[in-house]
Amino acid sequence: DAGITQSPRHKVTETGTPVTLRCHQTENHRYMYWYRQDPGHGLRLIHYSYGVKDTDKGEVSDGYSVSRSKTEDFLLTLESATSSQTSVYFCATTGTAYNEQFFGPGTRLTVL
Amino acid sequence: GQQLNQSPQSMFIQEGEDVSMNCTSSSIFNTWLWYKQDPGEGPVLLIALYKAGELTSNGRLTAQFGITRKDSFLNISASIPSDVGIYFCAGQLEAGNMLTFGGGTRLMVKP
Repeated sequence: DAGITQSPRHKVTETGTPVTLRCHQTENHRYMYWYRQDPGHGLRLIHYSYGVKDTDKGEVSDGYSVSRSKTEDFLLTLESATSSQTSVYFCATTGTAYNEQFFGPGTRLTVL
Repeated sequence: GQQLNQSPQSMFIQEGEDVSMNCTSSSIFNTWLWYKQDPGEGPVLLIALYKAGELTSNGRLTAQFGITRKDSFLNISASIPSDVGIYFCAGQLEAGNMLTFGGGTRLMVKP
């Protein structure tokens, strides 16, 4: 258990509105990740962070931005939500070995 | 992006039966991970593999890192109803890097 919480757990929003999802970890892990999970596509990496203020793009980063101002928090922002961003979003962190990734409970986002 | 081919996509078995699933890739990986996901929850790490040929067990679960480093296998022995869920493989090239996930195997167990 990597002590990961995600908020909100569920959100319904309208196309064009900004949305921010929060990931919080209590284990002081260096690496943090945002994935989205969609039927037929599995889990795909959006962005990741390798330290405070250090972030990089993943496989499906278009339309998303991230920020990490503290070790424990990693924020995912949809500047202007679209229906294609309806998905389940998972945050993950690595342990000290940097190989194993541990996932949070997820946020189900619906964009109408 | 790169995808892992995971098979079978789904399995419906009788309680007590053994289960086998596998993942193959066109590229090599240096770490293979196996996860289980229950409905409405995040994936939970079951087994991590770090060396080609490695065989690792976790209770009734056994996973192997293929010799070619392009595949991995997961076996579940004597299945029980709580084994129901979706099992994902994931490959990683370097520590800290992204995971590449397979499409998942949905396991259903009939009591």
